[in-house]
Amino acid sequence: EVKLLESGGGLVQPGGSLKLSCAASGFDFSRYWMSWVRQAPGKGLEWIGEINPDSSTINYTPSLKDKFIISRDNAKNTLYLQMSKVRSEDTALYYCARIGGTPGTGAMDYWGQGTSVTVSS
Amino acid sequence: EIVLTQSPALMAASPGEKVTITCSVSSSISSSYLHWYQQKSGISPKPWIYGTSNLASGVPARFSGSGSGTSYSLTISSMEAEDAATYYCQQWSSSPLTFGAGTKLELK
Repeated sequence: EVKLLESGGGLVQPGGSLKLSCAASGFDFSRYWMSWVRQAPGKGLEWIGEINPDSSTINYTPSLKDKFIISRDNAKNTLYLQMSKVRSEDTALYYCARIGGTPGTGAMDYWGQGTSVTVSS
Repeated sequence: EIVLTQSPALMAASPGEKVTITCSVSSSISSSYLHWYQQKSGISPKPWIYGTSNLASGVPARFSGSGSGTSYSLTISSMEAEDAATYYCQQWSSSPLTFGAGTKLELK
């Protein structure tokens, strides 16, 4: 069974940093693109970015490119999101998702349950 | 950036009613790159329709998807209570990947 389990969320002060993790199991993590998506309270889904299997390609949504860093450790089956210079508008539920389905089409076929990040002083 | 505009933003349907949600795309994309997700309150999004018209595993046959170019839609042939949810379209024809703002479907 495919499982994605995010962790690392919590309360962070404005301007601070936080590193989220997503532990994957039930599939060959090293063969899949992975993505981070966030959802602010009461709002829609916002794509943060994605990373290919060997970390040679990492794409971000332009507005977050200078604040967030996506990485992965295939030996640990873990995806990461390093957040920096956070602001109140970064308060959200952060999901990791596997990009599966038909290769190259960008469909996210499995999602974690999300980890909550609150930016507040 | 490709913008996805969903309509309506909010709607209510009675049991048995036909429902259509549209997703208008700012630039023409291949239908392979247009997907739909269902999200219920407090739950992670679920893949619902892949590549415009391919139902994800477990999705009831009353759902269908269609479209091409800049206009796509999700249709429920006969509304059921369990279909009440928010539906999002998503494209990955060009970076950045983008989602529509969502359509909240309520049971009337």
